[in-house]
Amino acid sequence: SAVISQKPSRDICQRGTSLTIQCQVDSQVTMMFWYRQQPGQSLTLIATANQGSEATYESGFVIDKFPISRPNLTFSTLTVSNMSPEDSSIYLCSVGHSGRSYEQYFGPGTRLTVT
Amino acid sequence: AQSVTQPDIHITVSEGASLELRCNYSYGATPYLFWYVQSPGQGLQLLLKYFSGDTLVQGIKGFEAEFKRSQSSFNLRKPSVHWSDAAEYFCAVGAREYGNKLVFGAGTILRVKS
Repeated sequence: SAVISQKPSRDICQRGTSLTIQCQVDSQVTMMFWYRQQPGQSLTLIATANQGSEATYESGFVIDKFPISRPNLTFSTLTVSNMSPEDSSIYLCSVGHSGRSYEQYFGPGTRLTVT
Repeated sequence: AQSVTQPDIHITVSEGASLELRCNYSYGATPYLFWYVQSPGQGLQLLLKYFSGDTLVQGIKGFEAEFKRSQSSFNLRKPSVHWSDAAEYFCAVGAREYGNKLVFGAGTILRVKS
């Protein structure tokens, strides 16, 4: 499976600011996804990052709040905008290949605390 | 709507004892089934997966899971638990009919006592 890294691994941010999280994969992958894991909760899909086009967002998530970029097949970013304490979560990226994109492999996550 | 249920929030077993973590799903399609493990402060690691064929699947770290269509279940088992197995375990389900989305259960926290 691919090796996936995320930066930063953790951060503490002030409310009202924005944070961009990077996800890097060591090989080309078709599909990249962003998930949120709120404290003590399970994972919720935020969006599918599409290479060369706008991301596909799940219900309850909007581009203005979580803009996503995917300039190539190995890299994606998620920005958490205008943060509030409710955004404190672990953000994880995952990757998959078309045809078996439900078989996903996860990065180590970014632990975000908003004060 | 698709849903995944892990009935046990916490489970405590003694080291060396057997383990079974339960997972039930509600899907109107042929499901693809996964178990992931998350150690504290870590991302998710794929333990095993089921797509088709033999309903008993083997995974890493000595884990196995059995798909029972009649019970809509995909329970995870291990014959002898090690202290290093203490972690949170997530069952996840996908289906081609629902695109790329994986739906996760709420997770089961496993504690191992020595």
